[in-house]
Amino acid sequence: GAGVSQSPSNKVTEKGKDVELRCDPISGHTALYWYRQRLGQGLEFLIYFQGNSAPDKSGLPSDRFSAERTGESVSTLTIQRTQQEDSAVYLCASRGTSNEQFFGPGTRLTVL
Amino acid sequence: AQSVTQLDSHVSVSEGTPVLLRCNYSSSYSPSLFWYVQHPNKGLQLLLKYTSAATLVKGINGFEAEFKKSETSFHLTKPSAHMSDAAEYFCVVSRDTGRRALTFGSGTRLQVQP
Repeated sequence: GAGVSQSPSNKVTEKGKDVELRCDPISGHTALYWYRQRLGQGLEFLIYFQGNSAPDKSGLPSDRFSAERTGESVSTLTIQRTQQEDSAVYLCASRGTSNEQFFGPGTRLTVL
Repeated sequence: AQSVTQLDSHVSVSEGTPVLLRCNYSSSYSPSLFWYVQHPNKGLQLLLKYTSAATLVKGINGFEAEFKKSETSFHLTKPSAHMSDAAEYFCVVSRDTGRRALTFGSGTRLQVQP
């Protein structure tokens, strides 16, 4: 596609439910990142995928968070047993051979 | 380790006057530095990037930034503000190699008064 896409754009869920967020990177980009942006703050790194290498999960805040990526395509971020503090905008970015990351529009998650 | 400090959470200027958004960074290696802009309800857009070439970097929409290693600064400037410049601006640092995850500053909200 022309850019990074994410779905859904908005998600409202109840505390304790699981949610799944999807990211479609730019075709051919081998690197994919997930970030979280809490209200009024900068982005926090969550997880990084590079090709078929083991992902770098060092930014995941708890074991309720997990992510998968199939090859060099779609990635899903799953949050289990959501808590109110998980409310944020979740951003996905992909990168080709340069240092520039291209961001998707984000998924706004609200946990009631 | 790397970190970014944006010295002002809010900046307000009048249309047509200069813009200065301040950023200091800390890095244990030669960094790549970026400025991103985020307009309300829109995605992040790259304004400009520094990757160890020229220290004065020109970006889109008339913005530029100067890398000053001695001051560990990467301030963003624009000679004349436009109403459409009103947005949130993020200073960002990353490594040139490896994971290259971005470390974001907390952001500066730019208001442009008519």
